Amino acid sequence: DTGVSQNPRHKITKRGQNVTFRCDPISEHNRLYWYRQTLGQGPEFLTYFQNEAQLEKSRLLSDRFSAERPKGSFSTLEIQRTEQGDSAMYLCASSFDRGAQETQYFGPGTRLLVL
Amino acid sequence: AQSVTQLDSHVSVSEGTPVLLRCNYSSSYSPSLFWYVQHPNKGLQLLLKYTSAATLVKGINGFEAEFKKSETSFHLTKPSAHMSDAAEYFCVVSDRNGQNFVFGPGTRLSVLP
Repeated sequence: DTGVSQNPRHKITKRGQNVTFRCDPISEHNRLYWYRQTLGQGPEFLTYFQNEAQLEKSRLLSDRFSAERPKGSFSTLEIQRTEQGDSAMYLCASSFDRGAQETQYFGPGTRLLVL
Repeated sequence: AQSVTQLDSHVSVSEGTPVLLRCNYSSSYSPSLFWYVQHPNKGLQLLLKYTSAATLVKGINGFEAEFKKSETSFHLTKPSAHMSDAAEYFCVVSDRNGQNFVFGPGTRLSVLP
């Protein structure tokens, strides 16, 4: 399968614990995006990378959240000191920079439940 | 700033009847527009996209959408619904650089036998 992959698919954690999610984009894609989707809502943008550079962060991304893409390939999203409000589906997408022609391809997501 | 409105949170149709999912957008320049579908426990799948070429866009699984600038709309249609079409559908607008994806709230499509 050459699509976007995310691990783990599900994560249950206790409030206050740290969690880390991984995203492996489509191999030739230079852009990588993270979104959060809560029940009954559309995905909301969190942050994106062009190669290894993190170019934009949403105000939704509090200082408990950090994302990296160290070699311009896979990315990790870490949430420190999780809160119940962090429970959501975390989606990763990748794309190739084509300006207006750009299309984002999404992974299956990581569903986080904070107890 | 861009925004997307999906006028119906839930649409229910009978199998074999037409589907219409409505989307209106707001953008200060010519946008790119997309429809994505999300089946339960599956990732978002691209149905079709408009990027300033033909205004009538054909996508996968028999879906199509028409870009109407005068109405700022990009409604999704399908002539005949199939049970497998039951899912959540998202209309998306992006800026001219293709980076800033703004999702609508989604429309849940139910298909009745």
